[in-house]
Amino acid sequence: DQQVKQNSPSLSVQEGRISILNCDYTNSMFDYFLWYKKYPAEGPTFLISISSIKDKNEDGRFTVFLNKSAKHLSLHIVPSQPGDSAVYFCAASDNGSSNTGKLIFGQGTTLQVKP
Amino acid sequence: DAGITQSPRYKITETGRQVTLMCHQTWSHSYMFWYRQDLGHGLRLIYYSAAADITDKGEVPDGYVVSRSKTENFPLTLESATRSQTSVYFCASLDSAGYTFGSGTRLTVV
Repeated sequence: DQQVKQNSPSLSVQEGRISILNCDYTNSMFDYFLWYKKYPAEGPTFLISISSIKDKNEDGRFTVFLNKSAKHLSLHIVPSQPGDSAVYFCAASDNGSSNTGKLIFGQGTTLQVKP
Repeated sequence: DAGITQSPRYKITETGRQVTLMCHQTWSHSYMFWYRQDLGHGLRLIYYSAAADITDKGEVPDGYVVSRSKTENFPLTLESATRSQTSVYFCASLDSAGYTFGSGTRLTVV
């Protein structure tokens, strides 16, 4: 039973355009959500997070939106750059923050940004 | 160098063999984790540890054993490797800033 789902295995966008990566979850106890970015032959690195008390968090070109009623979150990258090409993982925690608990990850979405 | 080091980076082993993947952190983070990455499944938690001598099962613990005699080390052992354990394994530690992952071990069981 996949509690965190990324239904799009891949996404291709043109440089300068917006990239939107989606993530759905089923466990209503999740209260902290994170996005990780992974390049080949490297470990995942933290990108951005959001607490369930918020509906939006922004960090430079990256914005995460949370819709709790729909159990859906999305990552927007504007403008997209070729260096953003990577696998993006959505993750969720039910411990109020990532500081104490286990993360449940989605399957990942491979983003390709074309020059 | 500070950080999380996994060894080996690549390993090929035969079915039925015991193999140990090593994970070492240079900090003193209490929490450490082992994940496996498989196509279509993302990252799945195998085992985690809240402190030295405290370990607990994750989502997919069967066929794996862990130990944590020292805070900085968290080895993962496959007692009798199977082909289904062919995967990329990531170790991670956790502090107030969040998770830090190692670079991974690519294990192939033939």
